[in-house]
Amino acid sequence: DTGVSQDPRHKITKRGQNVTFRCDPISEHNRLYWYRQTLGQGPEFLTYFQNEAQLEKSRLLSDRFSAERPKGSFSTLEIQRTEQGDSAMYLCASSLWTSGKSDTQYFGPGTRLTVL
Amino acid sequence: QKEVEQDPGPLSVPEGAIVSLNCTYSNSAFQYFMWYRQYSRKGPELLMYTYSSGNKEDGRFTAQVDKSSKYISLFIRDSQPSDSATYLCAMKSQGGSEKLVFGKGTKLTVNP
Repeated sequence: DTGVSQDPRHKITKRGQNVTFRCDPISEHNRLYWYRQTLGQGPEFLTYFQNEAQLEKSRLLSDRFSAERPKGSFSTLEIQRTEQGDSAMYLCASSLWTSGKSDTQYFGPGTRLTVL
Repeated sequence: QKEVEQDPGPLSVPEGAIVSLNCTYSNSAFQYFMWYRQYSRKGPELLMYTYSSGNKEDGRFTAQVDKSSKYISLFIRDSQPSDSATYLCAMKSQGGSEKLVFGKGTKLTVNP
């Protein structure tokens, strides 16, 4: 399978715990995005990387959230001190950006987080 | 007013019907327009991608963009039960933020 993969697919945690999610993009893609989707809503942008550089962050990405892409390949999204309001589907997408051309974002299956 | 408005439905049609899904938007900077299909508890799957105004056809799917009215549409011909899913419109500006801005999604059921 050469698509975007995410791990774990499901995570149940207790309020106050830290959680970390991993995303592996399509291998040749240089951009990686994180979105959050709550029930009945469309995905909302959190942040994106071009190679290892984090180029844009949403105001939704509070101090408890941190994302990394240390080697420009896979990325991790960590949520510290989880709250019940963090319960959502966390989606990763990747794209191949080249100068002067538009890029298409392809999504992974998501990680469903439930905070008890 | 949200940047992208989409009627969440639900929409229920008989098999073989023509389905029309729509979104309106307020940000005139949007230049790229997409439709994604999302099955329950899965990630969004790209269906159609359009730049600026005009029509694009791919099999049973046709995407239309009317920038003067800030209105985009997706038509599904000869709808099948396998088309039952939530359809999300998404948009992106040119030269600004790289984020996609999504509508809420319209839940479609095609009944056999």
